[in-house]
Amino acid sequence: NAGVMQNPRHLVRRRGQEARLRCSPMKGHSHVYWYRQLPEEGLKFMVYLQKENIIDESGMPKERFSAEFPKEGPSILRIQQVVRGDSAAYFCASSSQAGEKLFFGSGTQLSVL
Amino acid sequence: KQEVTQIPAALSVPEGENLVLNCSFTDSAIYNLQWFRQDPGKGLTSLLLIQSSQREQTSGRLNASLDKSSGRSTLYIAASQPGDSATYLCAVMGTGDKFYFGSGTKLNVKP
Repeated sequence: NAGVMQNPRHLVRRRGQEARLRCSPMKGHSHVYWYRQLPEEGLKFMVYLQKENIIDESGMPKERFSAEFPKEGPSILRIQQVVRGDSAAYFCASSSQAGEKLFFGSGTQLSVL
Repeated sequence: KQEVTQIPAALSVPEGENLVLNCSFTDSAIYNLQWFRQDPGKGLTSLLLIQSSQREQTSGRLNASLDKSSGRSTLYIAASQPGDSATYLCAVMGTGDKFYFGSGTKLNVKP
């Protein structure tokens, strides 16, 4: 049973470009969470999704950021017109039900030049 | 809004010591609390999950306790080993089904 898969592992973008981060949850998991981590800091909640629905996006900037979790395929975190301040590690986690153990992917390290 | 604080921010101990990591949270209306381990450049690994109705959970050399009314949890590591060196993160789940994380305790166990 594969764990949570995130790709790419590292992503380099120039200012103004788009970044697309992918997350395939564990098999059987329908709850997906995205978190952002800056160096030497804890994880900051961004968005919580279930299949085809955004449940809570209160941690996501209103502009340039969007997330989806389609019926088929991975969850996507999309950042448009990236800026240097978007450089961070982005982690995806999944669970089988709300309140159950969270399983994390290895993260995507986004670097904006 | 839930605030999670972890003390100390960093800890360095000789191998073999027993140690305690602390986590406090401001809103006691939580559903559960989870302790994670993070190695440099890696994702998080779940160590222990305590439901709000539970007082503690144990796994091997690890024991986590929860005092919901006072907003505290501790992670006890017995007979520490160099392989325990990592950052330990505490996360609480409140309303809205999302976890709030502390900033972590960076542990270094010296051989």
